[in-house]
Amino acid sequence: EIVMAQSPATLSVSPGESATLSCRASQSVSGNLAWYQQKPGQAPRLLIYGASTRATGIPARFSGSGSGTEFTLTISSLQSEDFAVYYCQQYNNWYPLTFGGGTKVEI
Amino acid sequence: QLQLQESGPGLVQPSETLSFTCNVSGDSITSGSYYWGWIRQSPGKGLEWIGSIYYSGTPYYNPSLKSRVIISVDTSKDQFSLRLTSVTVADTAVYYCARLAAAGEYAFDVWGQGTMVTVSS
Repeated sequence: EIVMAQSPATLSVSPGESATLSCRASQSVSGNLAWYQQKPGQAPRLLIYGASTRATGIPARFSGSGSGTEFTLTISSLQSEDFAVYYCQQYNNWYPLTFGGGTKVEI
Repeated sequence: QLQLQESGPGLVQPSETLSFTCNVSGDSITSGSYYWGWIRQSPGKGLEWIGSIYYSGTPYYNPSLKSRVIISVDTSKDQFSLRLTSVTVADTAVYYCARLAAAGEYAFDVWGQGTMVTVSS
């Protein structure tokens, strides 16, 4: 099983600032990585796939980078609606598909 | 616009079987090269993939749950289903159905709202 480790667990930022979230895989997942945003009481929403491709309708302030085992999600100029929990997910290996533990972005 | 809607039992007792259905609307479950899947989230915890299936293919299961899980598709109803047997308190969670994007980019791009299930005696 590929273990996905996210850091930090909680990130405190102010509106207008940038946030950098990290995701590390226990073995290479190539570029087969997605990022999701989840707000309380809601289902996750796909932000990024292929490590760096924004999903449909996702604002340009969300950007992803990395390959292999190290990945980064950057949120530039945080808006109030961006405060949420963010998860990474690898899909290089289906047995099983795995998610990271999440990073909570808070004010 | 594609929408997914889960239905589930709400409350079950330990050792019983959980059954869920995900209704697909806004498009056919057979259109495009999509997989369909189930993910769960225990209270206050992260996300766990349960399994996925193509409308005409073999299901893929999380090895940790494989002995207790069956995922199936009913193309005539545009539905896919999840059965989880011999449940315990540890199976208490919000269960989501979701679509896996096509063409090798296997991220979950459309999600249902989720249905909460509590396992308790």
